[in-house]
Amino acid sequence: GAGVSQSPSNKVTEKGKDVELRCDPISGHTALYWYRQSLGQGLEFLIYFQGNSAPDKSGLPSDRFSAERTGGSVSTLTIQRTQQEDSAVYLCASSPTTGGADTQYFGPGTRLTVL
Amino acid sequence: QKEVEQDPGPLSVPEGAIVSLNCTYSNSAFQYFMWYRQYSRKGPELLMYTYSSGNKEDGRFTAQVDKSSKYISLFIRDSQPSDSATYLCAMSGRYGGATNKLIFGTGTLLAVQP
Repeated sequence: GAGVSQSPSNKVTEKGKDVELRCDPISGHTALYWYRQSLGQGLEFLIYFQGNSAPDKSGLPSDRFSAERTGGSVSTLTIQRTQQEDSAVYLCASSPTTGGADTQYFGPGTRLTVL
Repeated sequence: QKEVEQDPGPLSVPEGAIVSLNCTYSNSAFQYFMWYRQYSRKGPELLMYTYSSGNKEDGRFTAQVDKSSKYISLFIRDSQPSDSATYLCAMSGRYGGATNKLIFGTGTLLAVQP
């Protein structure tokens, strides 16, 4: 079946502009995660959605970052007033279960470059 | 100090060699340990998953967890050029919010030379 998809695959923007990144999780997966991968930094947790529960936003680096998940499926990560340090690969993952350690399935990522 | 430490490499080995990849961690709350493989410009894919201490084998791959030493390993036997990728260790435990958020190492870049 279809895996996690993300769009766009690449995004180049100018400093100060807003960007929206989209994630389509695997159908039926209740949990959705956003991570950021910077060069030499590994993957950094940003935000977590689980069903209808309030999202865990503890990883968002600043109030310029926000995310929503509509209808328990598609998610959008928005970065306002982008800065050069926001340049990274943004990865989305989904998983089917709530207990234990879910197997997280990752999308290919969106490579964001802020000029 | 990072919660998870991983040597970034790069690690270069000849085809057929046994590869050993390692991570150390500081948070004793971690219970679930994973290894992901990431090819260039692709998302990570899960290779191995282990709960608590012990060994797990899957084909040419063996994962080991030593919770007393806070040390995990991934061994690749008979390495192939197709194994060339970045290998990321990841861990999770029980948190108040995101129960299953993964804490990743920085990844080790592996090159298997034909």
